[in-house]
Amino acid sequence: EIVLTQSPGTLSLSPGERATLSCRTSQTVSSSYLAWYQQKPGQAPRLLIYGASRRATGIPDRFSGSGSGTDFTLTISRLEPEDFAVYYCQQSPGSPIFTFGPGTKVDIK
Amino acid sequence: EVQLVESGGGLVKPGGSLRLSCAASGFTFSNYNMHWVRQAPGKGLEWVSSITYRSTYIYYADSVKGRSTISRDDAKNSLYLQMNSLRAEDTAVYYCAREDCGGNSCSYYYMDVWGKGTTVIVSS
Repeated sequence: EIVLTQSPGTLSLSPGERATLSCRTSQTVSSSYLAWYQQKPGQAPRLLIYGASRRATGIPDRFSGSGSGTDFTLTISRLEPEDFAVYYCQQSPGSPIFTFGPGTKVDIK
Repeated sequence: EVQLVESGGGLVKPGGSLRLSCAASGFTFSNYNMHWVRQAPGKGLEWVSSITYRSTYIYYADSVKGRSTISRDDAKNSLYLQMNSLRAEDTAVYYCAREDCGGNSCSYYYMDVWGKGTTVIVSS
């Protein structure tokens, strides 16, 4: 079983700052099967990035994903007020089984 | 508009049963693998179960295996999760989600459409 670890647990930043979120997997995974989601309180998760670096429809270009192997990164270039949320990475060893990371909370400093 | 709407949650005693439903609209439901994902209060996301199109393959997380049954009715554009022998640790918001694979190449796995969720509380 592949385990996902996200760091940091909480990231405290100010609007306009750059956010760098990490997702590490316990084994090498295909970049094609690595995705990122955003979740705000009381809302369902929202797909941001799939295939490690591909933005989902309607996602602003301040969100970018990168990485390969066991290390993946979600970067928010300049935080907007609406970006303060929890972010989850997800991997799939093969459709239709999925695993989520524990999440990183980005809150306002 | 592409939409998923869950229902069927509620308060149930330990050992009880619930059947969750998810109504899909705005897309060809029968073409997609579908999932249930849950989130316990204050916790992260946990994948629960999935069913492929045509119901060819079904998978469960170990935490619900043997106690839950996922099914779909393509004629009704609906997904279901029958949950039995419920425990306090099953208390969560249950989301229905659509799996997509990135167009004609189908090279990616992700959940691109989510419902708003239905809340299950297991308590005496």
